[in-house]
Amino acid sequence: EAEVAQSPRYKITEKSQAVAFWCDPISGHATLYWYRQILGQGPELLVQFQDESVVDDSQLPKDRFSAERLKGVDSTLKIQPAELGDSAMYLCASSLGSGYANTEAFFGQGTRLTVV
Amino acid sequence: DAKTTQPNSMESNEEEPVHLPCNHSTISGTDYIHWYRQLPSQGPEYVIHGLTSNVNNRMASLAIAEDRKSSTLILHRATLRDAAVYYCILRDVSGNTGKLIFGQGTTLQVKP
Repeated sequence: EAEVAQSPRYKITEKSQAVAFWCDPISGHATLYWYRQILGQGPELLVQFQDESVVDDSQLPKDRFSAERLKGVDSTLKIQPAELGDSAMYLCASSLGSGYANTEAFFGQGTRLTVV
Repeated sequence: DAKTTQPNSMESNEEEPVHLPCNHSTISGTDYIHWYRQLPSQGPEYVIHGLTSNVNNRMASLAIAEDRKSSTLILHRATLRDAAVYYCILRDVSGNTGKLIFGQGTTLQVKP
């Protein structure tokens, strides 16, 4: 069964260091989402791509976070410099297309980031 | 984005039905009602979705009020593996974003 792949599963980094997460969505899925989930809370949408274009990054802290999806397939989320408050689960999801509200989104297992 | 309201937590006994409510009084005509659940230490997984009519699948049933201002996710026989956080989400097709905005969800505990 097709799934969203994320790596690494776990990452420990020191504050002020750079960290990157990678996501490979399900083949053919035009929409890709990055979420951040702090323990005990629901996932918070950081950025949404339609193919290679950003359609929503209103909640992305752009002073330290960046995201790209250069060829409209896999994506990278970067934090530089990392802060203690960035410790969270980072989830990637994909779905067929942003106009397809009648379809489901598929989530990866996430990357657990700990900043020390 | 239209918002949803869910109880913070619910309890159920194993093998009994569970009704998880969701209020969405500001729903628009182009909003689909989606339900996802998240098991501990895993990413959310899709459960079911609908627009106006009640829906059934292998995991659950979705009952949608006639005025669409509320909905109920029904697990017909809860198992211990159904213990999770359940999220009710409105997914908007207008504006062509279709983004999924999560709230706090309902934490379901299933007792043996």
